[in-house]
Amino acid sequence: EVRLVESGGGLAQPGGSLRLSCAASGFTFSNYAMSWVRQAPGKGLEWVSAIIGGSSDRTDYADSVKGRFTVSRDNSKNTLYLQMNSLRAEDTAVYYCARDTVTTGTFYFDNWGQGTLVTVSS
Amino acid sequence: DIQMTQSPSTLSASVGDRVTITCRASQSISSYLAWYQQKPGKAPKLLIYKASSLESGVPSRFSGSGSGTEFTLTISSLQPDDFATYYCQQYQTIYTFGRGTKLEI
Repeated sequence: EVRLVESGGGLAQPGGSLRLSCAASGFTFSNYAMSWVRQAPGKGLEWVSAIIGGSSDRTDYADSVKGRFTVSRDNSKNTLYLQMNSLRAEDTAVYYCARDTVTTGTFYFDNWGQGTLVTVSS
Repeated sequence: DIQMTQSPSTLSASVGDRVTITCRASQSISSYLAWYQQKPGKAPKLLIYKASSLESGVPSRFSGSGSGTEFTLTISSLQPDDFATYYCQQYQTIYTFGRGTKLEI
């Protein structure tokens, strides 16, 4: 059974940092592209960042987080990360990690974690 | 960037109704479209991919159609469990979600 478990959310001050983790199990983690998708309270889904699987280190970011967030993965630990710096109030959201269905492209998400809440407030 | 426009934003219906949700892309995305269902406090669930392919385990009352810029999600006979919010997502170029359609009683 595919399982994705996010952690690391919490309260951060504007301008602060947080690091999210997503522990994966039940599949060969390295074979899949992975993404972070967020959902602000009462709002819709917004794709945040993606990292390709395999041996590639290709990453992509939404314009809203480019230069502030960094996605990475540790295939030996089956874990996806999102380093969030220079946080803003508008980054407040539930952050989901999601598994793409391919290794090197960007397709659709067939498995999602339960989400972790990030609140940016002073 | 490719924009996805969903309509309606809210849809009132009853058990047994046939409902259709529309998603329009700002440029052609071929059939690179997925549909998700999300219930309050839960993660989204994949329903349809490649515009019309039903994800394993999803009831056959859900169906998708369309290509290019116009797509539809149809639920043939609404069940109580179907009241939720539905999102379309293009994957022609990276990912973009529609703003969602809340299906309510």
